[in-house]
Amino acid sequence: AQRVTQPEKLLSVFKGAPVELKCNYSYSGSPELFWYVQYSRQRLQLLLRHISRESIKGFTADLNKGETSFHLKKPFAQEEDSAMYYCALDAGGTSYGKLTFGQGTILTVHP
Amino acid sequence: DTAVSQTPKYLVTQMGNDKSIKCEQNLGHDTMYWYKQDSKKFLKIMFSYNNKELIINETVPNRFSPKSPDKAHLNLHINSLELGDSAVYFCASSQDYARVAGEPAYEQYFGPGTRLTVT
Repeated sequence: AQRVTQPEKLLSVFKGAPVELKCNYSYSGSPELFWYVQYSRQRLQLLLRHISRESIKGFTADLNKGETSFHLKKPFAQEEDSAMYYCALDAGGTSYGKLTFGQGTILTVHP
Repeated sequence: DTAVSQTPKYLVTQMGNDKSIKCEQNLGHDTMYWYKQDSKKFLKIMFSYNNKELIINETVPNRFSPKSPDKAHLNLHINSLELGDSAVYFCASSQDYARVAGEPAYEQYFGPGTRLTVT
């Protein structure tokens, strides 16, 4: 069965500092990985997905199949980045669209 | 125009009661999901439906019964509520569910959540 691990429950940085939210997964097939974000009092929304290789709001994430990781990075954190971040995996095939989420990381960016 | 909506937003009830949470999507999607976010913020899928048919049924107590009257609605009925059912329940929808090999997965759009508190 697939599993997603986000080792940091809480992460605090100062504005302008680089930030990296870690995500590791275990799955033997070809998963698709996502980062979802939940800002205060807002719904969960897709931030980015590995297949699109985009930079969204200054965030990037690269799928490293050797290390089975999909860490989220931003070179200069902003206060508006403060939110809960979830890494998620879609295993495809008979998972029927099921997303397996990590435990989430609460990012706080201090002024 | 809200894409995925849930009612109610907050639900406070006593143990033993039966309650329902409703979800509606106006995106024209075929697949809908229920997720549970527990007190530790851990998010886990419970059910999914595609065109009113049950696709995913995780190991959820059978006190939880989803119902999909049409593909735009997926309701969650909970019988004999227990303290441990207190959580935030999220509905989501996607265009479809079946990811073809080599093709991207369908994006899931989430509702605002329903915070259920059982006292």
